[in-house]
Amino acid sequence: DGGITQSPKYLFRKEGQNVTLSCEQNLNHDAMYWYRQDPGQGLRLIYYSQIVNDFQKGDIAEGYSVSREKKESFPLTVTSAQKNPTAFYLCASTPHRLNTEAFFGQGTRLTVV
Amino acid sequence: EDQVTQSPEALRLQEGESSSLNCSYTVSGLRGLFWYRQDPGKGPEFLFTLYSAGEEKEKERLKATLTKKESFLHITAPKPEDSATYLCAVVYNQGGKLIFGQGTELSVKP
Repeated sequence: DGGITQSPKYLFRKEGQNVTLSCEQNLNHDAMYWYRQDPGQGLRLIYYSQIVNDFQKGDIAEGYSVSREKKESFPLTVTSAQKNPTAFYLCASTPHRLNTEAFFGQGTRLTVV
Repeated sequence: EDQVTQSPEALRLQEGESSSLNCSYTVSGLRGLFWYRQDPGKGPEFLFTLYSAGEEKEKERLKATLTKKESFLHITAPKPEDSATYLCAVVYNQGGKLIFGQGTELSVKP
C-alpha cells in the first residue's frame, strides 16, 4: 500500500542531544513538509521541500535541520539548539508543488526527558 | 500578514444538532483551500479541496463551501463519531507553502 511512514512513533531525547525523525513516502510525490503540533494549536510549518536537493525554511525553522537527498525521504533533525522540542511532529507530501491535497504520516511524538 | 484563522476553537454539540465551523483567510492569490479531520494522536485525514469562490463539496454529513474570504464546514445532524479536530489549510501564490489554521475541536454528545 502506498503511503507515508514516520518513525519512530514515540521518541525520547535527553537534553543536549540531537535526534532524527524519519519520513519516507512511496507515493512518488514531489513535495514534502514537516510540521510541529503543540496541544491546542494548529500545525506550524518547520521546513518544506519541493524537489530533491532543495528545501526552504518554514515559520519555525530555528533549531531544526533537514535534507532531501532522495525523492522518497525527508528526515528532520531536532538539534540541541531547539529550546522546547517536546511536541507532535507530522510529515506530509503532495503530488505537485501547488494546490493539491497533502497526505500525512501518523506522526512522531517527541519528549525531552 | 498571510493568515488562516478558524472559529470557534471548540464546539460542543448534541447528537443531531447541526452547526458550522468557520475558516477565514487573508492571503493573496489563493490556489486551494483544504479541510482535514484529525483524531487524537493521529495524522490529519483529508476531507475536501476547494479552489474557487462559490464551490461546494459534500461527503456524508459534511458540506464545505468557499467564498473570497472564508470557508465553512457545515455539519448536518452530527453523530458522536464526528467528534474530532477539524483543520483548515491553504496554498497560495507565495510558492509551495501549505499553512494551517489552529483547528476547531468538535465534540458531539449522544
